[in-house]
Amino acid sequence: ETGVTQSPTHLIKTRGQQVTLRCSSQSGHNTVSWYQQALGQGPQFIFQYYREEENGRGNFPPRFSGLQFPNYSSELNVNALELDDSALYLCASSLDIFGNTIYFGEGSWLTVV
Amino acid sequence: TQLLEQSPQFLSIQEGENLTVYCNSSSVFSSLQWYRQEPGEGPVLLVTVVTGGEVKKLKRLTFQFGDARKDSSLHITAAQPGDTGLYLCAGEGGNQFYFGTGTSLTVIP
Repeated sequence: ETGVTQSPTHLIKTRGQQVTLRCSSQSGHNTVSWYQQALGQGPQFIFQYYREEENGRGNFPPRFSGLQFPNYSSELNVNALELDDSALYLCASSLDIFGNTIYFGEGSWLTVV
Repeated sequence: TQLLEQSPQFLSIQEGENLTVYCNSSSVFSSLQWYRQEPGEGPVLLVTVVTGGEVKKLKRLTFQFGDARKDSSLHITAAQPGDTGLYLCAGEGGNQFYFGTGTSLTVIP
């Protein structure tokens, strides 16, 4: 158990819809990162939030957006869903941004049909 | 673009055999981590290596970080069915980790 919880665990959406995924970070952790893991691939960095501010972004379009709340929980929002967005979305929390160990949640499986 | 290449991509061995998984890059990383991921779950950290040439042992698992901090290897001695899973290496680069494509290991009883 890493103390990082994600919801929902599984969901199915239709192309063009919007989705919100949620993450509660480990207690005391102020940094949250989101990763996308397509089937058969390693996780790809989407973005990181530190103390409610975006602190870096990977190669994902603007329709991928996020939020971090004062309690350091986080949301990942994806608009205008495409079939290729089908993947496991992983949230990882860390104590802070300075290269500490990251702890992953179990992920949210998104299927876009 | 995949900064880290892992080999082999798939590996199926008999219980009791030894194996080595490789993680290679042309980039230098300040640290490198190894994870194991089981189906339907998030990656679980096995080890972090920081110093070039560093060797760490975790029971039957031996991890090595290359002298130039560009590559790493994971050696498993006397593999057990419980070792089955997806092994991922990840290099730390700034505010993100760059993951390899993974090595899917199956240990047959």
